[in-house]
Amino acid sequence: EAGVVQSPRYKIIEKKQPVAFWCNPISGHNTLYWYLQNLGQGPELLIRYENEEAVDDSQLPKDRFSAERLKGVDSTLKIQPAELGDSAVYLCASSPRRSTAGELFFGEGSRLTVL
Amino acid sequence: QQQVKQSPQSLIVQKGGISIINCAYENTAFDYFPWYQQFPGKGPALLIAIRPDVSEKKEGRFTISFNKSAKQFSLHIMDSQPGDSATYFCAASKAAGNKLTFGGGTRVLVKP
Repeated sequence: EAGVVQSPRYKIIEKKQPVAFWCNPISGHNTLYWYLQNLGQGPELLIRYENEEAVDDSQLPKDRFSAERLKGVDSTLKIQPAELGDSAVYLCASSPRRSTAGELFFGEGSRLTVL
Repeated sequence: QQQVKQSPQSLIVQKGGISIINCAYENTAFDYFPWYQQFPGKGPALLIAIRPDVSEKKEGRFTISFNKSAKQFSLHIMDSQPGDSATYFCAASKAAGNKLTFGGGTRVLVKP
């Protein structure tokens, strides 16, 4: 079974440029998460989707960040314009709906460097 | 507000030794406490998890000890191996699969 797929794995951009990250969750997983992981720190939730609905986006900086999950499968996270402080790894994770196990399955992440 | 505090930040242990990582939480509504393992360039992967109705859970060389009254839980890695060298994150949530709040991570290095 394929895991969570993210692209691109690495992205280097100039500040003020836009950037987008794509995530394909594990087939059948209704819940999708985007996490931000700064160097040497634990992941922090940006947004959580249940199917197409964003059920928790309280930590998403909405002035420059946006996300969508059309058709309740793939998801895109966008930053526009990027700032130096956005340099981090953006992790996508998925889990089955009403998962009693509670396990999140993470992708390998997209590492963003803003110059 | 850091809801889950993890220590130490880094740990060096000899092969065959015991690695111990501690976490403390503040929110008494948390009822699910997983540990994730992350290798460089990879995403975190679930290692072991516990719920507050038990005080200990063991899976192979990995054991979680849970102290509900102290709001603390710890990960013990017995017979540590070089392949265990990774960053370990504790986490907590109010319900399984819900929003996970992660600790800051512990980088473990097992020397051969």
